[in-house]
Amino acid sequence: DAGVTQSPTHLIKTRGQHVTLRCSPISGHKSVSWYQQVLGQGPQFIFQYYEKEERGRGNFPDRFSARQFPNYSSELNVNALLLGDSALYLCASSLVWGRGYEQYFGPGTRLTVT
Amino acid sequence: QQQVKQSPQSLIVQKGGISIINCAYENTAFDYFPWYQQFPGKGPALLIAIRPDVSEKKEGRFTISFNKSAKQFSLHIMDSQPGDSATYFCAANDYKLSFGAGTTVTVRA
Repeated sequence: DAGVTQSPTHLIKTRGQHVTLRCSPISGHKSVSWYQQVLGQGPQFIFQYYEKEERGRGNFPDRFSARQFPNYSSELNVNALLLGDSALYLCASSLVWGRGYEQYFGPGTRLTVT
Repeated sequence: QQQVKQSPQSLIVQKGGISIINCAYENTAFDYFPWYQQFPGKGPALLIAIRPDVSEKKEGRFTISFNKSAKQFSLHIMDSQPGDSATYFCAANDYKLSFGAGTTVTVRA
Protein backbone atom coordinates (compact mmCIF):
# COMPACT_ATOMS: atom_id res chain seq x y z
CA ASP A 1 0.00 0.00 0.00
CA ALA A 2 1.19 3.50 -0.77
CA GLY A 3 2.11 5.71 2.13
CA VAL A 4 1.42 9.40 2.46
CA THR A 5 2.30 11.22 -0.75
CA GLN A 6 3.11 14.91 -1.10
CA SER A 7 3.69 17.16 -4.07
CA PRO A 8 5.74 18.88 -5.19
CA THR A 9 8.98 17.54 -3.71
CA HIS A 10 10.80 20.82 -3.94
CA LEU A 11 9.67 24.36 -4.61
CA ILE A 12 11.42 27.69 -4.93
CA LYS A 13 9.35 30.84 -4.57
CA THR A 14 10.01 34.57 -4.26
CA ARG A 15 8.97 36.71 -1.28
CA GLY A 16 5.37 37.87 -1.58
CA GLN A 17 4.27 34.98 -3.79
CA HIS A 18 1.67 32.36 -2.97
CA VAL A 19 2.22 28.59 -2.74
CA THR A 20 -0.04 25.52 -2.67
CA LEU A 21 1.20 22.21 -1.30
CA ARG A 22 -0.70 18.96 -1.74
CA CYS A 23 -1.05 15.78 0.28
CA SER A 24 -2.74 12.41 -0.23
CA PRO A 25 -3.21 10.36 2.94
CA ILE A 26 -2.79 6.61 3.35
CA SER A 27 -5.73 4.77 1.83
CA GLY A 28 -8.49 4.51 4.44
CA HIS A 29 -7.16 7.34 6.58
CA LYS A 30 -9.57 10.21 7.08
CA SER A 31 -7.52 12.72 9.06
CA VAL A 32 -4.70 14.87 7.72
CA SER A 33 -2.37 17.16 9.66
CA TRP A 34 0.20 19.66 8.45
CA TYR A 35 3.49 20.45 10.15
CA GLN A 36 6.33 22.89 9.43
CA GLN A 37 9.89 21.76 10.11
CA VAL A 38 12.58 24.40 10.05
CA LEU A 39 16.09 23.05 9.57
CA GLY A 40 17.52 21.73 12.82
CA GLN A 41 14.22 21.78 14.70
CA GLY A 42 11.32 19.47 15.43
CA PRO A 43 8.12 19.73 13.37
CA GLN A 44 5.60 22.36 14.48
CA PHE A 45 1.85 21.76 14.17
CA ILE A 46 -0.01 23.95 11.67
CA PHE A 47 -3.43 22.42 10.96
CA GLN A 48 -5.46 19.27 11.45
CA TYR A 49 -8.46 18.23 9.36
CA TYR A 50 -10.96 15.42 9.69
CA GLU A 51 -13.95 14.77 7.45
CA LYS A 52 -13.26 18.09 5.67
CA GLU A 53 -13.53 20.09 8.88
CA GLU A 54 -10.72 21.92 10.63
CA ARG A 55 -10.15 20.24 14.00
CA GLY A 56 -7.07 22.09 15.15
CA ARG A 57 -4.90 25.06 14.33
CA GLY A 58 -1.40 25.84 15.56
CA ASN A 59 0.18 29.21 16.25
CA PHE A 60 0.65 30.32 12.65
CA PRO A 61 -0.46 33.57 10.98
CA ASP A 62 -3.58 33.88 8.84
CA ARG A 63 -1.38 33.72 5.75
CA PHE A 64 -1.53 29.97 6.27
CA SER A 65 -4.73 28.17 5.30
CA ALA A 66 -5.69 24.63 4.41
CA ARG A 67 -8.59 22.50 3.33
CA GLN A 68 -9.51 18.84 2.97
CA PHE A 69 -11.37 17.40 0.03
CA PRO A 70 -14.08 14.68 -0.12
CA ASN A 71 -11.43 12.10 -1.07
CA TYR A 72 -9.55 13.09 2.14
CA SER A 73 -6.63 14.65 0.28
CA SER A 74 -5.59 18.07 1.49
CA GLU A 75 -3.82 21.20 0.41
CA LEU A 76 -1.93 23.82 2.38
CA ASN A 77 -1.84 27.37 1.10
CA VAL A 78 0.59 30.06 2.16
CA ASN A 79 0.11 33.65 0.98
CA ALA A 80 2.55 36.57 0.96
CA LEU A 81 5.57 34.34 1.45
CA LEU A 82 8.33 35.48 3.78
CA LEU A 83 11.93 34.30 3.92
CA GLY A 84 11.10 32.69 7.26
CA ASP A 85 8.57 30.39 5.59
CA SER A 86 11.46 28.41 4.11
CA ALA A 87 11.10 24.96 5.63
CA LEU A 88 10.13 21.34 5.08
CA TYR A 89 6.34 21.06 5.08
CA LEU A 90 5.14 17.71 6.28
CA CYS A 91 1.78 16.08 5.91
CA ALA A 92 0.71 13.34 8.30
CA SER A 93 -2.29 11.06 8.06
CA SER A 94 -4.13 9.10 10.70
CA LEU A 95 -7.04 6.72 10.60
CA VAL A 96 -9.45 9.04 12.38
CA TRP A 97 -9.32 12.20 14.45
CA GLY A 98 -9.01 11.75 18.15
CA ARG A 99 -6.67 11.26 21.05
CA GLY A 100 -3.77 8.90 20.68
CA TYR A 101 -3.97 7.77 17.08
CA GLU A 102 -0.76 7.05 15.17
CA GLN A 103 0.24 9.69 12.66
CA TYR A 104 2.26 8.69 9.62
CA PHE A 105 4.28 11.28 7.76
CA GLY A 106 4.93 11.83 4.09
CA PRO A 107 8.31 12.75 2.61
CA GLY A 108 7.58 16.45 2.81
CA THR A 109 7.79 19.40 0.45
CA ARG A 110 10.96 21.46 0.71
CA LEU A 111 9.99 25.13 0.23
CA THR A 112 12.69 27.71 -0.34
CA VAL A 113 11.70 31.38 -0.35
CA THR A 114 14.22 33.77 -1.91
CA GLN B 1 6.93 27.30 24.41
CA GLN B 2 8.44 23.85 24.00
CA GLN B 3 5.96 21.39 25.47
CA VAL B 4 8.35 18.46 25.18
CA LYS B 5 11.99 18.83 26.22
CA GLN B 6 14.50 16.41 24.69
CA SER B 7 18.13 15.68 25.53
CA PRO B 8 20.88 15.30 24.55
CA GLN B 9 21.03 17.39 21.38
CA SER B 10 23.48 14.91 19.88
CA LEU B 11 25.33 11.76 20.83
CA ILE B 12 28.01 9.51 19.40
CA VAL B 13 28.03 5.80 20.15
CA GLN B 14 30.22 2.93 19.05
CA LYS B 15 28.74 0.12 16.99
CA GLY B 16 27.15 -2.37 19.38
CA GLY B 17 26.69 0.24 22.11
CA ILE B 18 23.54 1.62 23.69
CA SER B 19 22.04 4.99 22.77
CA ILE B 20 19.77 6.66 25.33
CA ILE B 21 17.58 9.70 24.60
CA ASN B 22 15.48 11.38 27.27
CA CYS B 23 12.30 13.46 27.08
CA ALA B 24 10.16 15.30 29.61
CA TYR B 25 6.72 16.87 29.37
CA GLU B 26 4.41 19.00 31.50
CA ASN B 27 0.97 18.68 29.94
CA THR B 28 -0.88 15.83 31.65
CA ALA B 29 -3.42 15.81 28.79
CA PHE B 30 -0.86 13.98 26.65
CA ASP B 31 -1.85 10.33 26.36
CA TYR B 32 0.29 8.88 23.61
CA PHE B 33 4.06 9.14 23.24
CA PRO B 34 5.63 8.18 19.89
CA TRP B 35 9.23 8.29 18.75
CA TYR B 36 10.13 9.16 15.20
CA GLN B 37 13.31 8.51 13.23
CA GLN B 38 14.27 10.95 10.51
CA PHE B 39 17.00 10.67 7.88
CA PRO B 40 18.27 13.77 6.04
CA GLY B 41 15.83 14.95 3.40
CA LYS B 42 13.13 12.50 4.48
CA GLY B 43 9.95 12.71 6.51
CA PRO B 44 9.85 11.37 10.09
CA ALA B 45 9.11 7.64 10.32
CA LEU B 46 7.17 6.25 13.26
CA LEU B 47 9.55 4.02 15.20
CA ILE B 48 7.80 2.96 18.39
CA ALA B 49 5.14 4.42 20.69
CA ILE B 50 3.80 3.97 24.21
CA ARG B 51 0.67 4.86 26.16
CA PRO B 52 0.89 6.09 29.78
CA ASP B 53 -0.67 2.97 31.28
CA VAL B 54 2.45 1.01 30.29
CA SER B 55 5.90 1.51 31.85
CA GLU B 56 7.98 -0.16 29.14
CA LYS B 57 7.60 -1.26 25.55
CA LYS B 58 10.16 -3.13 23.49
CA GLU B 59 10.26 -3.67 19.74
CA GLY B 60 13.41 -5.35 18.49
CA ARG B 61 16.41 -3.26 19.50
CA PHE B 62 14.26 -0.27 20.51
CA THR B 63 12.79 0.15 24.01
CA ILE B 64 10.70 2.95 25.47
CA SER B 65 10.71 3.47 29.23
CA PHE B 66 7.90 5.61 30.64
CA ASN B 67 7.66 7.23 34.09
CA LYS B 68 4.21 8.76 34.46
CA SER B 69 4.79 10.29 37.90
CA ALA B 70 7.97 12.02 36.76
CA LYS B 71 6.46 12.90 33.37
CA GLN B 72 9.50 11.52 31.63
CA PHE B 73 10.12 8.94 28.95
CA SER B 74 13.18 7.66 27.17
CA LEU B 75 14.29 5.70 24.11
CA HIS B 76 16.99 3.05 24.37
CA ILE B 77 18.62 1.77 21.18
CA MET B 78 20.42 -1.48 21.95
CA ASP B 79 23.25 -2.91 19.84
CA SER B 80 23.45 0.34 17.87
CA GLN B 81 24.29 -0.06 14.16
CA PRO B 82 25.66 2.44 11.61
CA GLY B 83 22.26 2.36 9.89
CA ASP B 84 20.73 3.79 13.09
CA SER B 85 22.57 7.08 12.47
CA ALA B 86 19.71 9.55 12.17
CA THR B 87 17.83 12.24 14.07
CA TYR B 88 15.36 10.96 16.63
CA PHE B 89 12.37 12.95 17.84
CA CYS B 90 10.20 12.23 20.82
CA ALA B 91 6.66 13.51 20.65
CA ALA B 92 3.54 13.72 22.77
CA ASN B 93 0.01 13.56 21.51
CA ASP B 94 -3.30 14.84 22.74
CA TYR B 95 -5.00 15.54 19.41
CA LYS B 96 -1.90 16.91 17.71
CA LEU B 97 1.77 16.01 18.01
CA SER B 98 4.13 18.19 20.04
CA PHE B 99 7.74 17.34 19.21
CA GLY B 100 11.00 17.59 21.07
CA ALA B 101 13.90 19.41 19.44
CA GLY B 102 15.54 16.20 18.25
CA THR B 103 18.69 14.18 18.97
CA THR B 104 21.22 13.46 16.26
CA VAL B 105 22.67 10.00 16.79
CA THR B 106 25.94 9.00 15.13
CA VAL B 107 27.00 5.36 15.31
CA ARG B 108 30.71 4.85 14.70
CA ALA B 109 31.73 1.57 13.07
